[in-house]
Amino acid sequence: DIVMTQSPDSLAVSLGERATINCKSSQSVLYNSNNKNYLAWYQQKPGQPPKLLFYWASTRESGVPDRFSGSGSGTEFTLTISSLQAEDVAVYYCQQYYSTPFLFGQGTKVEIK
Amino acid sequence: QVQLQESGPGLVKPSETLSLTCTVSGGSLSSYYWSWIRQPPGKGLEWIGYIYYSGSTNYNPSLKSRVTISIDTSKNQFSVKLSSVTAADTAVYFCARSPVTNYYNSNGGHIWPGGFDNWGQGTLVTVSS
Repeated sequence: DIVMTQSPDSLAVSLGERATINCKSSQSVLYNSNNKNYLAWYQQKPGQPPKLLFYWASTRESGVPDRFSGSGSGTEFTLTISSLQAEDVAVYYCQQYYSTPFLFGQGTKVEIK
Repeated sequence: QVQLQESGPGLVKPSETLSLTCTVSGGSLSSYYWSWIRQPPGKGLEWIGYIYYSGSTNYNPSLKSRVTISIDTSKNQFSVKLSSVTAADTAVYFCARSPVTNYYNSNGGHIWPGGFDNWGQGTLVTVSS
């Protein structure tokens, strides 16, 4: 199984400041034949289902604000919120879809400082 | 705009079988992968398994002996059954869609599910006597 580990578990950031979430996979999720990282990021607000933010590690889903960015390759990935807004308070998950079982990170809770 | 909606009993007794259905509206089941994912209260996400519209399945080994996912394209629905449930199966159950992606290797071209781009709202299933 490819285990996903996120850090930190939680972070508090002031409005307008940068928030950075890290995700590490136990094996590479980069498929060499197409040079794609099989990694997705989700945002989950209380009482709601997760919402896809990024796929292929850095391809932004339609409608996702450009203050969100995804980066990384191989085994290390980052989700960055460049200027935190009140509506960004949520739990964020990374997920690998390179191989089954598809596993999620444990989640990172983002709050306002 | 495709919409997914889970339905089924909210309370299941221990040792019985949990059964849920996901109804897809505003789109077809064709050419997508369809998954079940669960989330125990206050905890993280666990992928249960997927079914392709053709009927091929793939299950999480941690649940494989107890889970069956099926599809009914005529009703635009897919379902999950989880047998011999215990309190540990208490969770919000989500259905979700994945687009088809393509990859190539020495054996030729293949398809594979992408990330989960559409989710149902989720339904809480409690296992209790």
